Amino acid sequence: AQTVTQSQPEMSVQEAETVTLSCTYDTSESDYYLFWYKQPPSRQMILVIRQEAYKQQNATENRFSVNFQKAAKSFSLKISDSQLGDAAMYFCAYRTHNTGNQFYFGTGTSLTVIP
Amino acid sequence: DVKVTQSSRYLVKRTGEKVFLECVQDMDHENMFWYRQDPGLGLRLIYFSYDVKMKEKGDIPEGYSVSREKKERFSLILESASTNQTSMYLCASSSYPRGARQPQHFGDGTRLSIL
Repeated sequence: AQTVTQSQPEMSVQEAETVTLSCTYDTSESDYYLFWYKQPPSRQMILVIRQEAYKQQNATENRFSVNFQKAAKSFSLKISDSQLGDAAMYFCAYRTHNTGNQFYFGTGTSLTVIP
Repeated sequence: DVKVTQSSRYLVKRTGEKVFLECVQDMDHENMFWYRQDPGLGLRLIYFSYDVKMKEKGDIPEGYSVSREKKERFSLILESASTNQTSMYLCASSSYPRGARQPQHFGDGTRLSIL
């Protein structure tokens, strides 16, 4: 069974600093996709960044980047120059062709940004 | 942009009532999902549907049913509401993947309280 683990229920970061949120997953598949979603308080969950497992290059979206370590089954999210608007729950998710279109989510990390 | 609309942001019902949560998406997506979100447990999949009138059980289907009569609409039904079904309910949709790279798009969520 596919599982996604986020071992940090809560994290905090000073404004303008960098923070890394961790995510590990368990799979026997070789072709899959990984996602980070952001859910601000009382607001809609939105996609932050996506990584294809067959790509060695780490995905980057502005201040957000990932450190994808396929052998270690690790997919961490780095937020640079943290802003107050980055405060949210962050969920890591996994999907393959073989899971019947199903996504698997971690339990989330609540990020606080300290002014 | 994809729009996923859930019919209610907040809903209060009584135990034993039959409760309907409605979700509509405007992007002709094949796949639609219902999740339950509870603190510390992340997102748990209740049901998903990959086509009209097609449905698959997720991880926690007990006490719930779904209906998908039209492609754009996916309804979650609590047959006889109980207090342990008090939660945040999230609807999501995604297109059918050539690869599995397509992300899910979420609604705003329905916070359901069962008294």
